[in-house]
Amino acid sequence: AQTVTQSQPEMSVQEAETVTLSCTYDTSESDYYLFWYKQPPSRQMILVIRQEAYKQQNATENRFSVNFQKAAKSFSLKISDSQLGDAAMYFCAYRRGPGNQFYFGTGTSLTVIP
Amino acid sequence: GAGVSQSPRYKVAKRGQDVALRCDPISGHVSLFWYQQALGQGPEFLTYFQNEAQLDKSGLPSDRFFAERPEGSVSTLKIQRTQQEDSAVYLCASRGSLRHNEQFFGPGTRLTVL
Repeated sequence: AQTVTQSQPEMSVQEAETVTLSCTYDTSESDYYLFWYKQPPSRQMILVIRQEAYKQQNATENRFSVNFQKAAKSFSLKISDSQLGDAAMYFCAYRRGPGNQFYFGTGTSLTVIP
Repeated sequence: GAGVSQSPRYKVAKRGQDVALRCDPISGHVSLFWYQQALGQGPEFLTYFQNEAQLDKSGLPSDRFFAERPEGSVSTLKIQRTQQEDSAVYLCASRGSLRHNEQFFGPGTRLTVL
């Protein structure tokens, strides 16, 4: 079975600083996708960034980047120049290549300190 | 509409009542997913539709849970004889095609069973 682990229930960062959120996963598949979703208090899940397992290059989206370590099954999210609007729950998610459902971690609550 | 919508946003039910939760996916989206998100947890998969066909219902916790998508667009998640452990946020997500990796989430329905 696929499992996704987020070991940091809560994190905080000073505005304009950088923070890294951790995620590890367990799978025997070779073809899969990894995602980071942001869930603000409004509950709307918003895709932050995604990574295809077959790509060696780490994905980047503006201030958001990932450190994908396939052998270690690690997928951390780095947020640079943190902004107040980044405060939210962040969920790491896994999707098997040919499958359909997402497997989510338990989330990390990020606080941004002005 | 532009995004996935769900109604109602909030539902309070007395234990033993039946409830129906509605999801309007993005127009034209083939795939539709239901997830259950307990307080402080990540979303957990319930069921998946491809058009009107329910291809996977392995996540439904009991036979009190039933989902349908009769015309391949709007979906309804029905919970019969609600129990307190059913209290959660129910998220709906849709995906445009089988090749797309991203699921677009709705705002969820928060169900509270008293």
